[in-house]
Amino acid sequence: GAGVSQSPSNKVTEKGKDVELRCDPISGHTALYWYRQSLGQGLEFLIYFQGNSAPDKSGLPSDRFSAERTGGSVSTLTIQRTQQEDSAVYLCASSLIGGELFFGEGSRLTVL
Amino acid sequence: GNSVTQMEGPVTLSEEAFLTINCTYTATGYPSLFWYVQYPGEGLQLLLKATKADDKGSNKGFEATYRKETTSFHLEKGSVQVSDSAVYFCALSDKKDYNQGGKLIFGQGTELSVKP
Repeated sequence: GAGVSQSPSNKVTEKGKDVELRCDPISGHTALYWYRQSLGQGLEFLIYFQGNSAPDKSGLPSDRFSAERTGGSVSTLTIQRTQQEDSAVYLCASSLIGGELFFGEGSRLTVL
Repeated sequence: GNSVTQMEGPVTLSEEAFLTINCTYTATGYPSLFWYVQYPGEGLQLLLKATKADDKGSNKGFEATYRKETTSFHLEKGSVQVSDSAVYFCALSDKKDYNQGGKLIFGQGTELSVKP
């Protein structure tokens, strides 16, 4: 499709397990963002990739969170040793530099 | 650091009522400002934006004016419809010149419910 694609759409895991969330941005978009949406908390910035520049990781809440973007396209957000407070919807967005952000529908993570 | 504060929801209005959703920001310099909307079951999408002071963004009957003197970007619509029911997010860019790239910082969102 032409939009931002995220997978899985839903993930239920046990506390302490690692999870990987995938984002396929719109082709040609140089910028890619990860946000976290928790109930009543709005959108929390996690990490931002722009072209070949070093990513802005200033929003990652702990060293259990990491993300990479391979070949300037697909991105994977990894959460190690998940905790219950990690339960949220993880949103990916992509854009041209300085352009409108296009969001995926999100990956809903539930940590039991 | 940069931040955005929105009025708390949920906001419940009758159809054809006037809507205001307040948004204020804290930032160094003059960032670009945005309103994004999330309709039920859909992803966020851009509603409108303003890139410099006194600019007015508008779309689908919604308007917001960039007020640097009050550091505000309030969203307004003269006559809401049931189809406007959604969550609205105010956001700012973290770079003065958004065309040079930069991440968006979002507010906590305001849920709007319009009753027939």
